Amino acid sequence: NAGVTQTPKFRVLKTGQSMTLLCAQDMNHEYMYWYRQDPGMGLRLIHYSVGEGTTAKGEVPDGYNVSRLKKQNFLLGLESAAPSQTSVYFCASKGRYSNQPQHFGDGTRLSIL
Amino acid sequence: DAKTTQPNSMESNEEEPVHLPCNHSTISGTDYIHWYRQLPSQGPEYVIHGLTSNVNNRMASLAIAEDRKSSTLILHRATLRDAAVYYCILRDEDSNSGYALNFGKGTSLLVTP
Repeated sequence: NAGVTQTPKFRVLKTGQSMTLLCAQDMNHEYMYWYRQDPGMGLRLIHYSVGEGTTAKGEVPDGYNVSRLKKQNFLLGLESAAPSQTSVYFCASKGRYSNQPQHFGDGTRLSIL
Repeated sequence: DAKTTQPNSMESNEEEPVHLPCNHSTISGTDYIHWYRQLPSQGPEYVIHGLTSNVNNRMASLAIAEDRKSSTLILHRATLRDAAVYYCILRDEDSNSGYALNFGKGTSLLVTP
């Protein structure tokens, strides 16, 4: 049981380039989330999804887009990367019941030069 | 969202109990108290959660004050593997918010042999 898998684990981009981060979960969870974590800080919510085909903005959505075309996958896109988006990105998923916890991936370390 | 206050860091000796405090004076009646921890270079992992009564699981215990304005995470016997950042989070049980977590900076726990 892999849980939450994030691809890639590391990436270096140049300013203005685009890329997509992939999150896959094999727990049949309804909810999925994208967070970012900057050095010395807690995680901040970028976007989330309450089910297949639905997405919503979190605390820091600017500069990012997301899609949830399949229940098991949640994609995070950077259309034109900026140095301020250098961060560690974490994906999480959660089951439908309120008392179920979030399960996190191991993160994607993204550097934008 | 209601916020929490935690010490920036704490230190404990191995095999001794650890009490991690959290203040949440503006907690509302529908907020659950959640604790997650983040080991170095990993994503956060769920520890425990509760509403009013004290809770125990295989990882830790959660003691909640009678007025719910504070809580304490108790690790009964700290090991070196418990060295992590511990986050105390209030989560609104409104499903329309996607059960998202609002991470602060947490408490960095150092465990010494």
